[in-house]
This record gives sequence, structure tokens and C-alpha cells, in this order.
Amino acid sequence: GQNIDQPTEMTATEGAIVQINCTYQTSGFNGLFWYQQHAGEAPTFLSYNVLDGLEEKGRFSSFLSRSKGYSYLLLKELQMKDSASYLCAVREAAGNKLTFGGGTRVLVKP
Amino acid sequence: DAMVIQNPRYQVTQFGKPVTLSCSQTLNHNVMYWYQQKSSQAPKLLFHYYDKDFNNEADTPDNFQSRRPNTSFCFLDIRSPGLGDAAMYLCATSRGGGSEAFFGQGTRLTVV
Repeated sequence: GQNIDQPTEMTATEGAIVQINCTYQTSGFNGLFWYQQHAGEAPTFLSYNVLDGLEEKGRFSSFLSRSKGYSYLLLKELQMKDSASYLCAVREAAGNKLTFGGGTRVLVKP
Repeated sequence: DAMVIQNPRYQVTQFGKPVTLSCSQTLNHNVMYWYQQKSSQAPKLLFHYYDKDFNNEADTPDNFQSRRPNTSFCFLDIRSPGLGDAAMYLCATSRGGGSEAFFGQGTRLTVV
């Protein structure tokens, strides 16, 4: 089985940086994904990590440590439109099961 | 162009009346997922397919069934919807392995 934990909510100021942590326990690991979801909309893919280290994509970066069962999503130069839920998801090694954490609601204030 | 299409976007059904939600994809992906998402909660996996190979989550109620007649289409059947089944239902597809999942726009189900 899988257990994925994220903080429920975070608040940050426009232009600042926010780091969203995700810890996981899984019986097998085949990658960790971050998704953004605005209220009432479908999740959209942000990043993917399967090896340890940092993946950078513009204002968004994601980090993975497999030995620690830990990832974070870093959002830089926050904009008001970044207010959304951010979902951490883990794919199991066996099969293609993709399980989501509870999501972190980020509120960006002016 | 939409690649994962869910119909309808909004569905109202009566308590106990069977309802079917549909999902189609133009990506030719092997894996298709159905998730249930309630307000302010994470998507909860109900089932997934790898081609025709069906995987049911242990805690998915028997009231929920799924069919995948071909690569492009997948259906979610709710045999006797209860008030607690009101939610957003999300379909997603993936090539499998390390590739990301692409989501449809979801079907918001209301049970009256």
C-alpha cells in the first residue's frame, strides 16, 4: 500500500517562494509526480521525478530523495494565478497504480 | 484539441438510478484510470486498466463497475447511486511506466 502526506494549506506573498513537501511510503516506487489543480478543474501535470535530485522547469522545480521517501515542489516568483491545490502522486513499481496525496492548497496574497 | 474527453461534464441522476459516465482518449495510451474526487479532497483511485487488464482497488464499492471495450473508451457504471456518490469523477490516461497521466475535464455527478 501507499501513504502520501502533504501539508493541507500554505499561504505566501506574490513574488515570494514557497516549498511544498511530500513524504511517502510505498511498497514499490516508479516515480513521483506533481500536479496543479485549480478549483473545479482537472489536475494538470507539472513535474516528474524518478531519480534523486532536482528537476527544474521555469518557475517550478521538484526534488526527490528516494532513500528518505521525500519530495518537494518549489514555486518561485509566485503569481496570483499560482493559487491552487498542488497534488503529489506516486506510481508503484509493479503495475501502473497512481496514488495521490491529499493535496496542498496554496493561497497567494498580494 | 482535447485528448481525454469525458461526457457529460455535468450529470444529475436520481438516487438509486443507474448512471454511466464515459471517457474517450485520442492518445492511444495503454493505461486508463478512474478517480473519484470529493470537495477539497485528493482524487481517490477507483480502478485502472492496463490494456484489458483490470485492477480494482480493494476499497472501491461494489456499486461501481467499469468497462473498457477498446483502447479508446472506458466507462464507469454506478449501479445504484447514493447521495454519498456525488463527486467529481476524473478519467486519466497514461502510456504507463514513467510517463505522466493526462486528465479529462471530469464529470461532476449530482445525486438527487
